[in-house]
Amino acid sequence: GENVEQHPSTLSVQEGDSAVIKCTYSDSASNYFPWYKQELGKRPQLIIDIRSNVGEKKDQRIAVTLNKTAKHFSLHITETQPEDSAVYFCAASGGSQGNLIFGKGTKLSVKP
Amino acid sequence: DAGVIQSPRHEVTEMGQEVTLRCKPISGHNSLFWYRQTMMRGLELLIYFNNNVPIDDSGMPEDRFSAKMPNASFSTLKIQPSEPRDSAVYFCASSLVGYGYTFGSGTRLTVV
Repeated sequence: GENVEQHPSTLSVQEGDSAVIKCTYSDSASNYFPWYKQELGKRPQLIIDIRSNVGEKKDQRIAVTLNKTAKHFSLHITETQPEDSAVYFCAASGGSQGNLIFGKGTKLSVKP
Repeated sequence: DAGVIQSPRHEVTEMGQEVTLRCKPISGHNSLFWYRQTMMRGLELLIYFNNNVPIDDSGMPEDRFSAKMPNASFSTLKIQPSEPRDSAVYFCASSLVGYGYTFGSGTRLTVV
């Protein structure tokens, strides 16, 4: 079945710097890759997603890139702000029913 | 749409008692997922349903856990008898197959 690895587990940056979180997946049949942000004490919320027919997608300060050959995808956050501090989860569609397999999460801390 | 609705938000119960968590998915979504989140284990998929049918319950910890989805608008997760190690935040999520999940606000369960 699908397996998703996420790195790093923690990331600390200065406000204004960029942050990059990387994920790899194992199932070449996976075709949908969402990213979730979970603030402390709140639910995970979808922030951006990408499908396998697209190499890059951008939404304001966040972008996601996908390399199908290498089976990895990344989340890029530019001009980070303190409110970007949260746990970020990547996921890949897997299984015959298309359910999502989540990475372990990255705790991002943005220091003012 | 009100989103995915979970109840109760918080539950404190004594060891050995039965606990029932409830979830109302987004209307029109045909997949429903139950997750458990702890600091140690992260987000764990317990069980998911497609079109009200349980597809994969391999994540259910043991026979003390059971889940039902009697119709498209309601699901329950029951723990009987509850144990202190069941203390966690339980999330319900729904989606259309092949799309991102929308999570509920979660139920914080404490078993004393």
